[in-house]
Amino acid sequence: KAGVTQTPRYLIKTRGQQVTLSCSPISGHRSVSWYQQTPGQGLQFLFEYFSETQRNKGNFPGRFSGRQFSNSRSEMNVSTLELGDSALYLCASSGDLSGRGTYNEQFFGPGTRLTVL
Amino acid sequence: AQSVTQPDIHITVSEGASLELRCNYSYGATPYLFWYVQSPGQGLQLLLKYFSGDTLVQGIKGFEAEFKRSQSSFNLRKPSVHWSDAAEYFCAVGVNYGGSQGNLIFGKGTKLSVKP
Repeated sequence: KAGVTQTPRYLIKTRGQQVTLSCSPISGHRSVSWYQQTPGQGLQFLFEYFSETQRNKGNFPGRFSGRQFSNSRSEMNVSTLELGDSALYLCASSGDLSGRGTYNEQFFGPGTRLTVL
Repeated sequence: AQSVTQPDIHITVSEGASLELRCNYSYGATPYLFWYVQSPGQGLQLLLKYFSGDTLVQGIKGFEAEFKRSQSSFNLRKPSVHWSDAAEYFCAVGVNYGGSQGNLIFGKGTKLSVKP
């Protein structure tokens, strides 16, 4: 089975721009989560999607948004970029096939390295 | 509030020596606990997990971890470290909010260096 894929792997943007990151989960996985990793704050949860619905959201401003498509692929968008948004953005998928929230481990992609100048 | 503490920011061990990485968590219910490893520029790879049952869990690459409820700890161990184990290690607790399973709370990580 192919793992979680994320595109692009690297991205350079300037302040004020917006960016869209893409994540394709492992085949059959319907839950997709996003995390931001920075040297100062570490790994922080952004949001989770399941069957095209946001199930949970972390403590990030509204500039951070996401969506999930019917094939479980997910995108996250950051508008009005700030210098502090420079980070590694990690996507993870898990096989919550029941939809009842039975806990399963998450499998991470390689991440998208976003640099904001 | 839920939290994970990894007290050691950086550890250096000699190749062949044993390793123990510490992790303490704060969580009201029975936790779902994980150890992940991250090599530079890479994503996170799951080493092992604890959901319930036997408190000593075995993972990949020869790692094991022991869940101790009384100490709120989930320490990672390896009897003999290899140079390829040099990486950053993250302990995490899974929080289940009303059916959501996406919220992992991570520790700050422990960077492991291996001396030849």
